[in-house]
Amino acid sequence: QVQLAESGGGVVQPGRSLRISCAATGFTFKNYGMHWVRQTPGKGLAWVAAITSDGSVMYYEDSVKGRFTTSRDNSKNTLTLQMNSLRPDDTAVYYCVKGERAVLTAIFDSWGQGTLVTVSS
Amino acid sequence: DIQLTQSPSSLSASVGDRVTITCQASHDIGNRLNWYQQKPGRAPKLLIYDASYLEAGVPSRFSGSGSGTHLTLIISSLEAEDFAVYYCQQYENLPWTFGQGTRVEIK
Repeated sequence: QVQLAESGGGVVQPGRSLRISCAATGFTFKNYGMHWVRQTPGKGLAWVAAITSDGSVMYYEDSVKGRFTTSRDNSKNTLTLQMNSLRPDDTAVYYCVKGERAVLTAIFDSWGQGTLVTVSS
Repeated sequence: DIQLTQSPSSLSASVGDRVTITCQASHDIGNRLNWYQQKPGRAPKLLIYDASYLEAGVPSRFSGSGSGTHLTLIISSLEAEDFAVYYCQQYENLPWTFGQGTRVEIK
């Protein structure tokens, strides 16, 4: 079955960088668009970024554009989110999410367990 | 951005009750709406996609209806395992957005 395992979360100071990763198993990774969704107690669920199945096109939510970069390695079945210039309001649980279809049909059919990113001095 | 407003924000219900949750969109989203269930400490789980299609493995007591700006999730007969938070999510326009959630609690 589909499994998505995030790693790399932790505590980081404002302005610093962090990279989180997602290892995908149980499906043909290279055939599916992938997404990052984050969740905070105060603001609920929020889509953050997406990448097409071949890694050629990425989409970002405005508040992370220019600071976050998502990429994928289809030979290693791995998705990555590089987060730079982190701010306290980036504090959240970050989920790696598989899309059910092409990336612009954003149906989130499988989710990882999430990794907590805390931005604090 | 398309805003999704769920109502109610929370509700108390008993096992066997019929539960209706609505999702009001700020713009016409057609049928480009999904519903998710989230239990404490767990990731969200897809229940309904394209407004009315049941995800594989999801019990038939869950159903979705509506289109445009007013969409609905119905649980026909609530079971103990259904106490959770439910979210709607649109994919008509970027950025894809979620409703604020509806908490279903035990009465």
